[in-house]
Amino acid sequence: GAVVSQHPSWVICKSGTSVKIECRSLDFQATTMFWYRQFPKQSLMLMATSNEGSKATYEQGVEKDKFLINHASLTLSTLTVTSAHPEDSSFYICSARDRTIEQFFGPGTRLTVL
Amino acid sequence: QQPVQSPQAVILREGEDAVINCSSSKALYSVHWYRQKHGEAPVFLMILLKGGEQKGHEKISASFNEKKQQSSLYLTASQLSYSGTYFCGTDSGNTPLVFGKGTRLSVIA
Repeated sequence: GAVVSQHPSWVICKSGTSVKIECRSLDFQATTMFWYRQFPKQSLMLMATSNEGSKATYEQGVEKDKFLINHASLTLSTLTVTSAHPEDSSFYICSARDRTIEQFFGPGTRLTVL
Repeated sequence: QQPVQSPQAVILREGEDAVINCSSSKALYSVHWYRQKHGEAPVFLMILLKGGEQKGHEKISASFNEKKQQSSLYLTASQLSYSGTYFCGTDSGNTPLVFGKGTRLSVIA
């Protein structure tokens, strides 16, 4: 199956700093990428949908100025958590879709904000 | 809208069977099933498309009733490796997957 990578796997940062998470589709072109967030023992909650070359579409309640998404190419999307706070600590997972309906998930990035 | 999964949790002994249900209040184009182990990303199990299809993979199979907007995942002769949280993700037609709250499955020896 198709492979999606995320970097870094985990990150610890101080409150107030910004963190960038990369999501790459390694062997296919991802026309659409999705960013999810998962808190402990909860479901995956969609944060935003990004299409290559256009602005991301954010779900209700997700601050677009805090969670910056850039989908610069068909194989790369980045999520930047700006001015991170402890409540932003979570498991962030990206997924990518080519022209089919199947979504391929990355391994996730665990963010801890101190 | 988030699909509803049932049961929330189930404990099985090795070799027992289980059924996990997923229902939606919206018309569905497809249903996707994933299993997630603690601390890991979800792992894809299977997709079911509208048309009332059924699919199977070893001892895990699923059905999709588009009229009832429901899907069920069947695990037969469960193994210890089946333990994890199972999520259904629903798609209403070229839309992002919306996941249910998950069903925690524990298989014990």
